[in-house]
Amino acid sequence: EDQVTQSPEALRLQEGESSSLNCSYTVSGLRGLFWYRQDPGKGPEFLFTLYSAGEEKEKERLKATLTKKESFLHITAPKPEDSATYLCAVLSSNTGKLIFGQGTTLQVKP
Amino acid sequence: EPEVTQTPSHQVTQMGQEVILRCVPISNHLYFYWYRQILGQKVEFLVSFYNNEISEKSEIFDDQFSVERPDGSNFTLKIRSTKLEDSAMYFCASRIYEAFFGQGTRLTVV
Repeated sequence: EDQVTQSPEALRLQEGESSSLNCSYTVSGLRGLFWYRQDPGKGPEFLFTLYSAGEEKEKERLKATLTKKESFLHITAPKPEDSATYLCAVLSSNTGKLIFGQGTTLQVKP
Repeated sequence: EPEVTQTPSHQVTQMGQEVILRCVPISNHLYFYWYRQILGQKVEFLVSFYNNEISEKSEIFDDQFSVERPDGSNFTLKIRSTKLEDSAMYFCASRIYEAFFGQGTRLTVV
């Protein structure tokens, strides 16, 4: 069964304190791994797509990496506006389903 | 920039009533999804739709639910005989490669 597990569930950082979020997955044929940001009461906002092991993508203070079993979202020198829930999702090439993890809620304090 | 549009943003309905949630996907996208997010919980897959038919559905998506693409642009989710536990945010998404989400409909069943 396709499964996505994110850790930690919650993370509190001081402004400027870098850290990483983890997404472990098992999927029947990985078509892509996606990172989203979700603010309270809003829909998931697309951040990155990763297709194959070794791939990396960057956007401002965020960098996503992918291995055969997991992905990391690295946050460098975060700011309070980076506070949100970060969601990881995998797209199965066998089923076409996009399956989400439970998310990591990040709080960045000034 | 193209976006997925959902209406209404908030729907309150009496238990036992039928509701229709509406979505306008991004125009050239091929795959369409409905997801549900109960407050404080993960984003759950309900159904995927491709080539005018359901391609995958979850165990949650039983006879109470149905989807349609009535006119080639709109994509609807119908929930019959609503129950209290159907109260949640419902998100529509569309994709060619990465999925883009609407801002959701908050359904409250009273």
